[in-house]
Amino acid sequence: GQQLNQSPQSMFIQEGEDVSMNCTSSSIFNTWLWYKQDPGEGPVLLIALYKAGELTSNGRLTAQFGITRKDSFLNISASIPSDVGIYFCAGPRTNAGGTSYGKLTFGQGTILTVHP
Amino acid sequence: EAGVTQFPSHSVIEKGQTVTLRCDPISGHDNLYWYRRVMGKEIKFLLHFVKESKQDESGMPNNRFLAERTGGTYSTLKVQPAELEDSGVYFCASSQGGRGLYGYTFGSGTRLTVV
Repeated sequence: GQQLNQSPQSMFIQEGEDVSMNCTSSSIFNTWLWYKQDPGEGPVLLIALYKAGELTSNGRLTAQFGITRKDSFLNISASIPSDVGIYFCAGPRTNAGGTSYGKLTFGQGTILTVHP
Repeated sequence: EAGVTQFPSHSVIEKGQTVTLRCDPISGHDNLYWYRRVMGKEIKFLLHFVKESKQDESGMPNNRFLAERTGGTYSTLKVQPAELEDSGVYFCASSQGGRGLYGYTFGSGTRLTVV
């Protein structure tokens, strides 16, 4: 089945540092999504990527859709304490014809801790 | 607009007991999804309702889990009898129309602990 592998599993950084995390799959995804989960809350969509090679920004966040369509990257610049949380990549499950069913496959998450 | 509401936020039950989780989606959202995250693992799909119908329940672990969506509004997920491996955070999400891929709004989740 479609699986997503995220790395690193956790990161401990100082405020102001830049952060990079990635997500890889053995299967092709036609869409990549990045979510953030704050403690005690549900995941919130940060960035959606729709085309191979696409680079999209949302404030200090930048995500890229890998050319092979089997990976994606998320970068956070100049981290701040409120960036703390769990970051998940996700992609829609598709059938052989490329049709999505609406359900998502998620990675295991990257836990980010930012020290002031 | 009110978000997706889940109740309870936490539940601790003994093995063998029954627990019912509730999800109130955003009004007007036809698509309702249940997901579960076991600690340290990925968020896994359980099932998908379109209105009151089960569109896909391929992620339901076994027949101890029963989901319903009354009149296409709120949904319940019952676990009976609960086992230790059922512990985790259960998320509900809703979206409006179509495939609902990108319009997911998640609830805050119910943290279930089976002891």
